[in-house]
Amino acid sequence: DVKVTQSSRYLVKRTGEKVFLECVQDMDHENMFWYRQDPGLGLRLIYFSYDVKMKEKGDIPEGYSVSREKKERFSLILESASTNQTSMYLCASSPTALYEQYFGPGTRLTVT
Amino acid sequence: GESVGLHLPTLSVQEGDNSIINCAYSNSASDYFIWYKQESGKGPQFIIDIRSNMDKRQGQRVTVLLNKTVKHLSLQIAATQPGDSAVYFCASSSGGSYIPTFGRGTSLIVHP
Repeated sequence: DVKVTQSSRYLVKRTGEKVFLECVQDMDHENMFWYRQDPGLGLRLIYFSYDVKMKEKGDIPEGYSVSREKKERFSLILESASTNQTSMYLCASSPTALYEQYFGPGTRLTVT
Repeated sequence: GESVGLHLPTLSVQEGDNSIINCAYSNSASDYFIWYKQESGKGPQFIIDIRSNMDKRQGQRVTVLLNKTVKHLSLQIAATQPGDSAVYFCASSSGGSYIPTFGRGTSLIVHP
């Protein structure tokens, strides 16, 4: 079974803190994604990566950055957390285009 | 741009009934469609997919129907069980894109 793990299930941070969310997949997938999920807004793509050290902006990249130094690991960074970044963050991976995505369990981030 | 929407935000059914969850998409170039199930506190999980060269695809207790003429997708769940209670998302992509567009989700509530 494909496994996508995320470093934390729940996280509470203060405004202005730098936040790292890590995601690891064990199936050698090329593509990895970070989404945020908010009630009524569904899943919105923040960034994705189609290869090591490659990244592309999604729909809402402002306030976020990413890092992919190894194929299996994709990190989401909030440079200076703000309260409007309180959300559920979901990581996903997929082997190729036009294929299902495998999601991690999510990290519920609260910024106070 | 592409948008994917769901007709009903909440669907309540009795255990044993059949459930139908609908989804409309706007991009006529969409050629790959997926249904995901998201249980409370978990990431979305793949249920079934369909490509645009098909009208119908069946899985275990689930059937996806695609009507390209009206750009409509549906998920049918036979003999709905309490364990089927979850939020169901449709997603579509086109042109070999790595990036699917997600609908906002329908909450399925199964009453015993």
